[in-house]
Amino acid sequence: EPEVTQTPSHQVTQMGQEVILRCVPISNHLYFYWYRQILGQKVEFLVSFYNNEISEKSEIFDDQFSVERPDGSNFTLKIRSTKLEDSAMYFCASSGGQGGYTFGSGTRLTVV
Amino acid sequence: AQSVTQPDIHITVSEGASLELRCNYSYGATPYLFWYVQSPGQGLQLLLKYFSGDTLVQGIKGFEAEFKRSQSSFNLRKPSVHWSDAAEYFCAFTGGGNKLTFGTGTQLKVEL
Repeated sequence: EPEVTQTPSHQVTQMGQEVILRCVPISNHLYFYWYRQILGQKVEFLVSFYNNEISEKSEIFDDQFSVERPDGSNFTLKIRSTKLEDSAMYFCASSGGQGGYTFGSGTRLTVV
Repeated sequence: AQSVTQPDIHITVSEGASLELRCNYSYGATPYLFWYVQSPGQGLQLLLKYFSGDTLVQGIKGFEAEFKRSQSSFNLRKPSVHWSDAAEYFCAFTGGGNKLTFGTGTQLKVEL
């Protein structure tokens, strides 16, 4: 069964550093998403991406965040200057439309 | 506002007992509804989804859910719980857009 692959599985970074979280969505999917889950809390929507542009973003997704699809397979989330409160599990998801979402196994980001 | 509510934060059941996890949504039309399961430190696994048609949907691992429009509910059920079902369960929905909105989750504990 096709999978969404996320790397790395765990990243530790110092406050103020830039991080890039990587995702390889399912190849024939057209919609891409990032969600995050702070420890013990619910999963929150960050951003959706379609046709090489952001289609929707949440209030969380401020200027510190950016997404990119640099080639035909990767989908990245960049946090420019990490803060302690960015520590969370970040999930990538892709969809072929009409609700066929598949989530990756997540990247646990720890900001120290 | 569009939202999904899971009223039970924690539920404990005995192995072999039946299970029902509650989910209520607030949305002006019929949403697409999902149940996901998350084991500790793991990603989100789709149990089942409802788009339209038969209001009783079958999922993986012996789970089912019933969509009740009159009650704005989409409760998850399992006739006989196994110890391996202990995990966190998230109800989610999407309406006109593509993003998923998650509930706060229900932590299921199974007593042997």
